[in-house]
Amino acid sequence: GAVVSQHPSRVICKSGTSVKIECRSLDFQATTMFWYRQFPKQSLMLMATSNEGSKATYEQGVEKDKFLINHASLTLSTLTVTSAHPEDSSFYICSAKDTIGQPQHFGDGTRLSIL
Amino acid sequence: AQSVTQLGSHVSVSEGALVLLRCNYSSSVPPYLFWYVQYPNQGLQLLLKYTSAATLVKGINGFEAEFKKSETSFHLTKPSAHMSDAAEYFCAVSDLGSTSYDKVIFGPGTSLSVIP
Repeated sequence: GAVVSQHPSRVICKSGTSVKIECRSLDFQATTMFWYRQFPKQSLMLMATSNEGSKATYEQGVEKDKFLINHASLTLSTLTVTSAHPEDSSFYICSAKDTIGQPQHFGDGTRLSIL
Repeated sequence: AQSVTQLGSHVSVSEGALVLLRCNYSSSVPPYLFWYVQYPNQGLQLLLKYTSAATLVKGINGFEAEFKKSETSFHLTKPSAHMSDAAEYFCAVSDLGSTSYDKVIFGPGTSLSVIP
């Protein structure tokens, strides 16, 4: 149980392109979803927290207009990297949870490479 | 603010040897604590969690961790390392500063290598 599917697993695109990453909870309703960014050999950096039907809460230093998050349903959240540039290249991971205090369940991540 | 430290960014053990990965946290109240494992180019998988019940927590793949309030520690152990245990391990603490225990703070991670 508690499977989170993240798609695509890898994206390579040109600078200036907007990229959308999907995060789906397959067998539970995710009241809260999280988006993380992970640089090589480093820990996860929380970018934003999204609750179904409301605006995402962004961490300090994360550009809201750059990283658009939508959590339109209890099973789907999307992260759109707008006008991506090489410095946006990273490993993006989503997670989801259904109950307060319970652990997050993670997707397998998306490797984004901007040329 | 809560924080998590993991002593040793890299740990090497021989196959069959004891695995000990250290985690210390800072919190003014009893936290929720987690250990996650990450294999290359994958997301995180929950190994075990502590949520104020038994102080010795057993997880998957033979791992366990003991919550020691006096030492503010939550070290991860496994009696006998297997080659498949080689991965990155993250200790995490729930952020009680958030209103709903939702936010989790991750430690810097420890890379475990298993030598045949």
